[in-house]
Amino acid sequence: QKEVEQNSGPLSVPEGAIASLNCTYSDRGSQSFFWYRQYSGKSPELIMFIYSNGDKEDGRFTAQLNKASQYVSLLIRDSQPSDSATYLCAVTIEGGYQKVTFGTGTKLQVIP
Amino acid sequence: GAGVSQSPSNKVTEKGKDVELRCDPISGHTALYWYRQRLGQGLEFLIYFQGNSAPDKSGLPSDRFSAERTGESVSTLTIQRTQQEDSAVYLCASSLSGISGYTFGSGTRLTVV
Repeated sequence: QKEVEQNSGPLSVPEGAIASLNCTYSDRGSQSFFWYRQYSGKSPELIMFIYSNGDKEDGRFTAQLNKASQYVSLLIRDSQPSDSATYLCAVTIEGGYQKVTFGTGTKLQVIP
Repeated sequence: GAGVSQSPSNKVTEKGKDVELRCDPISGHTALYWYRQRLGQGLEFLIYFQGNSAPDKSGLPSDRFSAERTGESVSTLTIQRTQQEDSAVYLCASSLSGISGYTFGSGTRLTVV
């Protein structure tokens, strides 16, 4: 079982819709959870992080964490074509230091 | 510096040659990481530095790969006797601590011909 799993997609949503991206992780000791956005040909950039169960909102983005079910999700409201990118879920795995393990990413396509 | 700086941005090398990739992290970031990303693939962890020590080298794929870091600043990743399968984008990231998330550099695209 992979440590961090994501559906590779592509996930296609129409402009203005809500995009929902999901991620599951295997280590119950995981402590910190991140979402990175990676445009084609560019390096990943951090867009959200969450540490506690529940929701965290930042503008059009909402991160949701459920530690009991071991999943974290990212909702993008009012999706725009500029949101089209690959979204990487990342998790800190306990191991003596805060090593971050990345999922392979979900490709999001927002259709105008 | 304001961001993580990597050089060169592109490198084309002949099979069998050695290459050095450089990373200059954000000032004050004690943690530094190297990742590899092959075309269309996810991020592959290579090595982690805390200061100038490397407590986790578990991702280095072979003994042709090595890395060092000077204090809490520049790091170099060296690939000896390059092979075509080494072709990838090599990404460097730095952080104050893992819980704060990483800032990535723009990467070095390595092509071995």
